[in-house]
Amino acid sequence: DTAVSQTPKYLVTQMGNDKSIKCEQNLGHDTMYWYKQDSKKFLKIMFSYNNKELIINETVPNRFSPKSPDKAHLNLHINSLELGDSAVYFCASSRGAGSKNIQYFGAGTRLSVL
Amino acid sequence: GQQLNQSPQSMFIQEGEDVSMNCTSSSIFNTWLWYKQEPGEGPVLLIALYKAGELTSNGRLTAQFGITRKDSFLNISASIPSDVGIYFCAGFIIQGAQKLVFGQGTRLTINP
Repeated sequence: DTAVSQTPKYLVTQMGNDKSIKCEQNLGHDTMYWYKQDSKKFLKIMFSYNNKELIINETVPNRFSPKSPDKAHLNLHINSLELGDSAVYFCASSRGAGSKNIQYFGAGTRLSVL
Repeated sequence: GQQLNQSPQSMFIQEGEDVSMNCTSSSIFNTWLWYKQEPGEGPVLLIALYKAGELTSNGRLTAQFGITRKDSFLNISASIPSDVGIYFCAGFIIQGAQKLVFGQGTRLTINP
């Protein structure tokens, strides 16, 4: 009965490859997010979707393309992976997009680009 | 851009001691949150603060939303081994698209 689930948990790949990370939430939330956590544990938002519409895009390289097929899913596709993409990527969701809405995080996907 | 300065970056304490950490910013936030992250997991919300001056407790945890809306602190009393982890403050900015900005984290280590 995991609330926000991401797959895979670990992803090891070569530079230049294309990969996807999937996220699903069963909380009935309208808003979903992708965050990146670097090696120093700094967490930064990448994207936010509300009702399948993109509302935040934080100057992320266009090699990163989020896709929200429905409100419960937000996937992240990364083209032409680079060494600097190695990080832990967290999906999160909240009932709405405003500041009173608590964000619930998944367990993360650790991406290692070799 | 908006930044949260969280301190200390790390703490090494004895079990039973009290812990205090804080976040400051040059920007005003309308919500302050405190999260805890354990190894291999995502951040989990501990306390949410919505009003300037608000003081809220959750068990042994107490947090306050600064009166200037530019700072917040988190205290943990009588620490226990399971308090180990990284604690993050986070604030919601109020200009433009509302988004959560995180502090750099405080890594708490407890010696039994």
